[in-house]
Amino acid sequence: AQSVTQLDSQVPVFEEAPVELRCNYSSSVSVYLFWYVQYPNQGLQLLLKYLSGSTLVKGINGFEAEFNKSQTSFHLRKPSVHISDTAEYFCAVSYYGGSQGNLIFGKGTKLSVKP
Amino acid sequence: GAVVSQHPSWVICKSGTSVKIECRSLDFQATTMFWYRQFPKQSLMLMATSNEGSKATYEQGVEKDKFLINHASLTLSTLTVTSAHPEDSSFYICSARVSRDNEAFFGQGTRLTVV
Repeated sequence: AQSVTQLDSQVPVFEEAPVELRCNYSSSVSVYLFWYVQYPNQGLQLLLKYLSGSTLVKGINGFEAEFNKSQTSFHLRKPSVHISDTAEYFCAVSYYGGSQGNLIFGKGTKLSVKP
Repeated sequence: GAVVSQHPSWVICKSGTSVKIECRSLDFQATTMFWYRQFPKQSLMLMATSNEGSKATYEQGVEKDKFLINHASLTLSTLTVTSAHPEDSSFYICSARVSRDNEAFFGQGTRLTVV
Protein backbone atom coordinates (compact mmCIF):
# COMPACT_ATOMS: atom_id res chain seq x y z
CA ALA A 1 0.00 0.00 0.00
CA GLN A 2 1.12 3.50 -0.74
CA SER A 3 2.08 5.65 2.22
CA VAL A 4 3.77 8.86 3.23
CA THR A 5 5.95 9.11 6.30
CA GLN A 6 6.91 12.33 7.96
CA LEU A 7 9.59 11.33 10.37
CA ASP A 8 9.26 14.23 12.78
CA SER A 9 5.97 15.16 14.41
CA GLN A 10 7.45 18.33 15.89
CA VAL A 11 10.44 20.43 14.96
CA PRO A 12 11.43 23.32 17.21
CA VAL A 13 13.92 25.77 15.79
CA PHE A 14 15.21 29.23 16.53
CA GLU A 15 14.48 32.15 14.25
CA GLU A 16 16.94 32.59 11.35
CA ALA A 17 18.18 29.01 11.72
CA PRO A 18 17.92 26.55 8.82
CA VAL A 19 15.32 23.81 8.92
CA GLU A 20 14.64 20.54 7.16
CA LEU A 21 11.35 18.69 7.38
CA ARG A 22 11.64 15.11 6.26
CA CYS A 23 9.27 13.16 4.08
CA ASN A 24 9.53 9.66 2.67
CA TYR A 25 7.04 7.81 0.55
CA SER A 26 6.52 4.27 -0.60
CA SER A 27 5.64 3.61 -4.18
CA SER A 28 6.44 1.36 -7.07
CA VAL A 29 5.05 3.75 -9.66
CA SER A 30 5.64 7.32 -10.70
CA VAL A 31 4.47 9.93 -8.25
CA TYR A 32 3.70 13.57 -7.89
CA LEU A 33 4.85 15.12 -4.62
CA PHE A 34 3.57 18.10 -2.68
CA TRP A 35 4.19 20.10 0.43
CA TYR A 36 1.36 22.02 2.04
CA VAL A 37 1.29 24.40 4.99
CA GLN A 38 -1.63 24.75 7.37
CA TYR A 39 -2.08 27.61 9.79
CA PRO A 40 -4.42 27.13 12.78
CA ASN A 41 -8.06 26.65 11.80
CA GLN A 42 -7.33 27.16 8.14
CA GLY A 43 -7.18 25.03 5.05
CA LEU A 44 -4.05 23.96 3.27
CA GLN A 45 -1.87 26.18 1.16
CA LEU A 46 0.41 24.68 -1.44
CA LEU A 47 4.07 25.45 -0.80
CA LEU A 48 5.56 23.59 -3.73
CA LYS A 49 5.15 20.57 -5.91
CA TYR A 50 7.16 18.14 -7.96
CA LEU A 51 5.55 16.83 -11.11
CA SER A 52 8.53 16.19 -13.38
CA GLY A 53 11.78 17.76 -14.51
CA SER A 54 14.32 19.26 -12.14
CA THR A 55 14.47 17.43 -8.84
CA LEU A 56 15.07 20.65 -6.92
CA VAL A 57 11.82 22.50 -6.56
CA LYS A 58 11.47 26.02 -5.26
CA GLY A 59 8.26 27.17 -3.67
CA ILE A 60 6.74 30.11 -1.90
CA ASN A 61 8.01 31.76 1.26
CA GLY A 62 11.60 30.75 0.55
CA PHE A 63 11.01 27.00 0.85
CA GLU A 64 12.51 24.40 -1.45
CA ALA A 65 12.46 20.63 -1.66
CA GLU A 66 14.47 17.99 -3.43
CA PHE A 67 13.03 14.87 -4.96
CA ASN A 68 15.29 11.87 -4.46
CA LYS A 69 13.93 8.89 -6.32
CA SER A 70 16.51 6.40 -5.07
CA GLN A 71 15.77 7.27 -1.47
CA THR A 72 12.06 7.88 -2.10
CA SER A 73 12.30 11.16 -0.25
CA PHE A 74 11.07 14.71 -0.71
CA HIS A 75 12.52 16.72 2.15
CA LEU A 76 11.51 20.34 2.65
CA ARG A 77 14.15 22.95 3.48
CA LYS A 78 14.47 26.61 4.29
CA PRO A 79 17.84 28.26 4.94
CA SER A 80 16.52 30.80 7.44
CA VAL A 81 13.15 30.56 9.13
CA HIS A 82 10.94 33.31 10.50
CA ILE A 83 8.47 33.38 13.34
CA SER A 84 5.70 33.50 10.75
CA ASP A 85 6.74 30.06 9.45
CA THR A 86 5.31 28.50 12.60
CA ALA A 87 2.63 26.14 11.27
CA GLU A 88 1.85 22.54 10.44
CA TYR A 89 3.44 21.16 7.30
CA PHE A 90 2.07 18.23 5.35
CA CYS A 91 3.80 16.16 2.74
CA ALA A 92 1.50 14.53 0.21
CA VAL A 93 1.81 12.20 -2.74
CA SER A 94 -0.39 11.55 -5.70
CA TYR A 95 0.13 8.53 -7.88
CA TYR A 96 0.27 9.16 -11.58
CA GLY A 97 -2.22 7.00 -13.35
CA GLY A 98 -4.08 6.33 -10.15
CA SER A 99 -7.83 6.24 -10.02
CA GLN A 100 -8.32 9.95 -9.64
CA GLY A 101 -5.07 11.39 -8.45
CA ASN A 102 -6.10 11.35 -4.83
CA LEU A 103 -3.66 12.89 -2.42
CA ILE A 104 -2.27 10.75 0.36
CA PHE A 105 -1.00 12.82 3.25
CA GLY A 106 1.63 12.28 5.86
CA LYS A 107 0.74 12.89 9.48
CA GLY A 108 2.24 16.35 9.47
CA THR A 109 5.15 18.11 11.11
CA LYS A 110 4.57 20.97 13.46
CA LEU A 111 7.24 23.59 12.98
CA SER A 112 7.71 25.92 15.93
CA VAL A 113 9.99 28.88 15.37
CA LYS A 114 11.19 30.56 18.52
CA PRO A 115 12.78 34.01 18.87
CA GLY B 1 -3.73 30.70 -8.09
CA ALA B 2 -7.12 29.07 -8.20
CA VAL B 3 -9.48 29.85 -5.34
CA VAL B 4 -11.67 27.38 -3.50
CA SER B 5 -14.21 28.81 -1.10
CA GLN B 6 -15.73 26.73 1.66
CA HIS B 7 -18.77 27.80 3.65
CA PRO B 8 -19.42 28.05 6.51
CA SER B 9 -16.04 28.36 8.17
CA TRP B 10 -17.52 27.14 11.41
CA VAL B 11 -20.85 25.77 12.57
CA ILE B 12 -22.33 24.55 15.81
CA CYS B 13 -25.35 22.29 15.65
CA LYS B 14 -27.46 20.18 17.95
CA SER B 15 -27.14 16.44 18.00
CA GLY B 16 -29.56 14.82 15.58
CA THR B 17 -29.70 17.70 13.12
CA SER B 18 -28.14 17.88 9.67
CA VAL B 19 -25.50 20.29 8.48
CA LYS B 20 -24.57 21.22 4.91
CA ILE B 21 -21.10 22.41 3.94
CA GLU B 22 -20.48 24.01 0.57
CA CYS B 23 -17.33 23.94 -1.49
CA ARG B 24 -17.06 26.25 -4.47
CA SER B 25 -14.36 26.73 -7.05
CA LEU B 26 -14.50 30.45 -7.75
CA ASP B 27 -12.42 30.90 -10.87
CA PHE B 28 -12.15 27.50 -12.47
CA GLN B 29 -14.20 24.45 -13.26
CA ALA B 30 -13.52 21.49 -11.05
CA THR B 31 -14.52 18.17 -12.47
CA THR B 32 -13.31 16.48 -9.32
CA MET B 33 -13.63 17.60 -5.72
CA PHE B 34 -12.36 15.84 -2.64
CA TRP B 35 -13.65 15.89 0.91
CA TYR B 36 -11.31 15.37 3.83
CA ARG B 37 -11.74 15.11 7.56
CA GLN B 38 -9.08 16.18 9.98
CA PHE B 39 -9.06 15.18 13.62
CA PRO B 40 -7.16 17.34 16.13
CA LYS B 41 -3.42 17.16 15.64
CA GLN B 42 -3.78 14.56 12.90
CA SER B 43 -3.49 14.43 9.18
CA LEU B 44 -6.21 14.74 6.60
CA MET B 45 -8.15 11.61 5.86
CA LEU B 46 -9.86 11.39 2.52
CA MET B 47 -13.56 10.75 2.96
CA ALA B 48 -14.81 10.75 -0.59
CA THR B 49 -14.12 11.80 -4.14
CA SER B 50 -16.81 13.69 -5.95
CA ASN B 51 -17.14 13.91 -9.72
CA GLU B 52 -19.53 16.34 -11.31
CA GLY B 53 -22.73 14.68 -12.37
CA SER B 54 -22.03 11.29 -10.85
CA LYS B 55 -22.16 9.56 -7.52
CA ALA B 56 -19.35 10.14 -5.08
CA THR B 57 -16.79 7.46 -4.37
CA TYR B 58 -16.42 6.90 -0.65
CA GLU B 59 -13.35 5.63 1.12
CA GLN B 60 -13.53 2.49 3.16
CA GLY B 61 -15.14 3.05 6.53
CA VAL B 62 -16.98 6.24 5.55
CA GLU B 63 -20.76 5.95 5.80
CA LYS B 64 -22.22 7.24 2.58
CA ASP B 65 -25.69 7.55 4.08
CA LYS B 66 -24.35 9.74 6.84
CA PHE B 67 -22.07 11.92 4.75
CA LEU B 68 -24.07 12.86 1.68
CA ILE B 69 -22.09 14.39 -1.14
CA ASN B 70 -23.57 16.17 -4.09
CA HIS B 71 -21.59 17.59 -7.00
CA ALA B 72 -24.29 19.15 -9.08
CA SER B 73 -22.16 21.56 -11.07
CA LEU B 74 -18.55 22.11 -12.09
CA THR B 75 -18.14 24.76 -9.41
CA LEU B 76 -20.06 23.41 -6.44
CA SER B 77 -19.92 20.35 -4.24
CA THR B 78 -21.78 19.95 -0.97
CA LEU B 79 -21.25 17.69 2.01
CA THR B 80 -24.22 17.09 4.27
CA VAL B 81 -23.63 15.51 7.64
CA THR B 82 -26.94 13.86 8.47
CA SER B 83 -28.18 13.21 11.99
CA ALA B 84 -24.99 14.64 13.40
CA HIS B 85 -23.56 13.32 16.64
CA PRO B 86 -20.78 14.70 18.85
CA GLU B 87 -18.32 12.21 17.39
CA ASP B 88 -18.84 13.90 14.01
CA SER B 89 -17.26 17.04 15.40
CA SER B 90 -14.19 17.68 13.32
CA PHE B 91 -12.53 19.92 10.77
CA TYR B 92 -13.78 19.22 7.26
CA ILE B 93 -11.78 20.39 4.26
CA CYS B 94 -12.60 20.23 0.59
CA SER B 95 -10.28 20.46 -2.36
CA ALA B 96 -10.83 20.84 -6.06
CA ARG B 97 -8.63 19.53 -8.79
CA VAL B 98 -7.88 21.76 -11.71
CA SER B 99 -6.48 19.33 -14.20
CA ARG B 100 -4.93 15.94 -14.67
CA ASP B 101 -1.58 17.07 -13.34
CA ASN B 102 -3.15 16.28 -10.00
CA GLU B 103 -2.73 19.69 -8.43
CA ALA B 104 -5.51 20.40 -5.97
CA PHE B 105 -6.55 23.63 -4.30
CA PHE B 106 -8.02 23.58 -0.84
CA GLY B 107 -10.83 25.42 0.84
CA GLN B 108 -10.26 27.08 4.16
CA GLY B 109 -12.05 24.32 6.05
CA THR B 110 -15.16 24.07 8.19
CA ARG B 111 -15.03 23.50 11.92
CA LEU B 112 -18.09 21.45 12.87
CA THR B 113 -19.05 21.16 16.52
CA VAL B 114 -22.00 18.98 17.46
CA VAL B 115 -23.42 19.58 20.92
